[in-house]
Amino acid sequence: AQSVTQLDSQVPVFEEAPVELRCNYSSSVSVYLFWYVQYPNQGLQLLLKYLSGSTLVKGINGFEAEFNKSQTSFHLRKPSVHISDTAEYFCAVSDQSNAGKSTFGDGTTLTVKP
Amino acid sequence: DAGVIQSPRHEVTEMGQEVTLRCKPISGHNSLFWYRQTMMRGLELLIYFNNNVPIDDSGMPEDRFSAKMPNASFSTLKIQPSEPRDSAVYFCASSFGLPQETQYFGPGTRLLVL
Repeated sequence: AQSVTQLDSQVPVFEEAPVELRCNYSSSVSVYLFWYVQYPNQGLQLLLKYLSGSTLVKGINGFEAEFNKSQTSFHLRKPSVHISDTAEYFCAVSDQSNAGKSTFGDGTTLTVKP
Repeated sequence: DAGVIQSPRHEVTEMGQEVTLRCKPISGHNSLFWYRQTMMRGLELLIYFNNNVPIDDSGMPEDRFSAKMPNASFSTLKIQPSEPRDSAVYFCASSFGLPQETQYFGPGTRLLVL
């Protein structure tokens, strides 16, 4: 069975500051890892995903994440956030045992203050 | 591409009434997912289909909920009878049905049961 833990439910940060949203996962097999973003009153959309290869993955809107197999983590980072980054962020994991089903974390609400 | 289409976008109904939510997945996708999102419980997977066949309905809350996928381009989620605790945002998502594939979410249906 797979699971995802997002370590922070809320992260407040000032505009132009760096941010890290933490995600840990557990799975007994090789995994695929995703970060999705949900803006207010919208559905989720993909930010980035790790499938294989380079452990540093770059996504949209200046976000990046690093896959760390030994620590079973996939933390999301951005060096300088904007007000428009205020949203809820979901980490998700899937593996070969499911027909495309992903397990989602509980979400982290990022609030960027001016 | 129109993306995942959900209807209605908003639904207000009275307790005991039947509610039907509709979803049209992205053309060519062969997996479809129904999620429910609330403040209290976060994002929950209710059921997912692969090639129009229900694969996992363990997230369906109770017998009042049912889902169908009569063909590759249409799915319904029905609640009968509805209760106030069913009030939530219901999302439909679709993908190519492989674990490394992105899920594409619709805009959601906001359901309020009075």
